[in-house]
Amino acid sequence: DADVTQTPRNRITKTGKRIMLECSQTKGHDRMYWYRQDPGLGLRLIYYSFDVKDINKGEISDGYSVSRQAQAKFSLSLESAIPNQTALYFCATSDSLAGGPSDTQYFGPGTRLTVL
Amino acid sequence: RKEVEQDPGPFNVPEGATVAFNCTYSNSASQSFFWYRQDCRKEPKLLMSVYSSGNEDGRFTAQLNRASQYISLLIRDSKLSDSATYLCVVTHYNQGGKLIFGQGTELSVKP
Repeated sequence: DADVTQTPRNRITKTGKRIMLECSQTKGHDRMYWYRQDPGLGLRLIYYSFDVKDINKGEISDGYSVSRQAQAKFSLSLESAIPNQTALYFCATSDSLAGGPSDTQYFGPGTRLTVL
Repeated sequence: RKEVEQDPGPFNVPEGATVAFNCTYSNSASQSFFWYRQDCRKEPKLLMSVYSSGNEDGRFTAQLNRASQYISLLIRDSKLSDSATYLCVVTHYNQGGKLIFGQGTELSVKP
């Protein structure tokens, strides 16, 4: 079984709808992250969480909210989806202050979201 | 200007070729450096960390030049399976370990 899972894997929705993307991990990591990927722009950080009570905004948090329900679960919500939120969304985890040479972020398989 | 910039791709090379990717970063406070690999429509995966002294892992060699704020990845004897997008990534210790990604360089290795 995959260590980091995301649901749904694909979603098509309409403008104005509320959407929740879910991420679960079995790695026992404290830190979890949400990124979006757009062609030509690379991955950009939306929100990150260092533990259940610690939530931080990333580079592009406007229009998004998150919930860390447990150490293993981190959900991303689009309160009112708009077409420019069409993107590939990745959840990631790490077990320490990522940035050390031996630290790694582990990514889920991604959720492809299309907002019509 | 993007904080991390990579060579625009795609790179199309024959099997067995040597190919080099370049990456520059603008924040001198950047502390750690990585190359990630991303296959089409899949998640990024760590390829290798980049150390100040340079490091090698099989056919892959990574170099870091802090003075020039420049990172490179060299792939020798390219294989078809090396075809992917290569992402240059930096982090800052004082920003909670957030990864900052370059836009990626696509490599296509042809028979």
